[in-house]
Amino acid sequence: LAKTTQPISMDSYEGQEVNITCSHNNIATNDYITWYQQFPSQGPRFIIQGYKTKVTNEVASLFIPADRKSSTLSLPRVSLSDTAVYYCLVGDGRGKLIFGQGTELSVKP
Amino acid sequence: SAVISQKPSRDICQRGTSLTIQCQVDSQVTMMFWYRQQPGQSLTLIATANQGSEATYESGFVIDKFPISRPNLTFSTLTVSNLSPEDSSIYLCSVSTATNEKLFFGSGTQLSVL
Repeated sequence: LAKTTQPISMDSYEGQEVNITCSHNNIATNDYITWYQQFPSQGPRFIIQGYKTKVTNEVASLFIPADRKSSTLSLPRVSLSDTAVYYCLVGDGRGKLIFGQGTELSVKP
Repeated sequence: SAVISQKPSRDICQRGTSLTIQCQVDSQVTMMFWYRQQPGQSLTLIATANQGSEATYESGFVIDKFPISRPNLTFSTLTVSNLSPEDSSIYLCSVSTATNEKLFFGSGTQLSVL
């Protein structure tokens, strides 16, 4: 299973765009890239998933370069409620996913 | 999507006892997993719950300590046996409804061992 590397923490201010980059150098051909958000005392919540290029939904965008060895989660105009831990995961569709350390995002007023 | 009900939401247990956690899903799912999250840490996969057969455990986790049942496609239990204070963690059930690895999580069980 591919290992992921993310910054441990990031700070931002309300209204800014936040980009969190994840490195996954040994991603396999069949792997998808998935991002989750976790608030304290809650289970992780799915944010977005992609395989290549760009994916956008109502909460975030995911940018994946051609070599797929990294990916960037983009959160537009963050608010205080976006303060959470964000996890990047890769896997081959067999369902088993290994969580890395995650990025603790702190949004300040 | 899948709605997961996990019980109990929290419990305080004495050393040496056991706690059984239930995970109920509102629809049939292909994959069910149990994770542990120690205070301030990321999630660690304990095992994959297999329907009708023994669970598949990750390195460092054994069946005697974490017996798992999955009698059907919507229900699973995790028992944490012979509790010690080091078992104090949040235990999370998760499910996958398809092969594209979108996981859904229960709200977790906060276990404190005295």
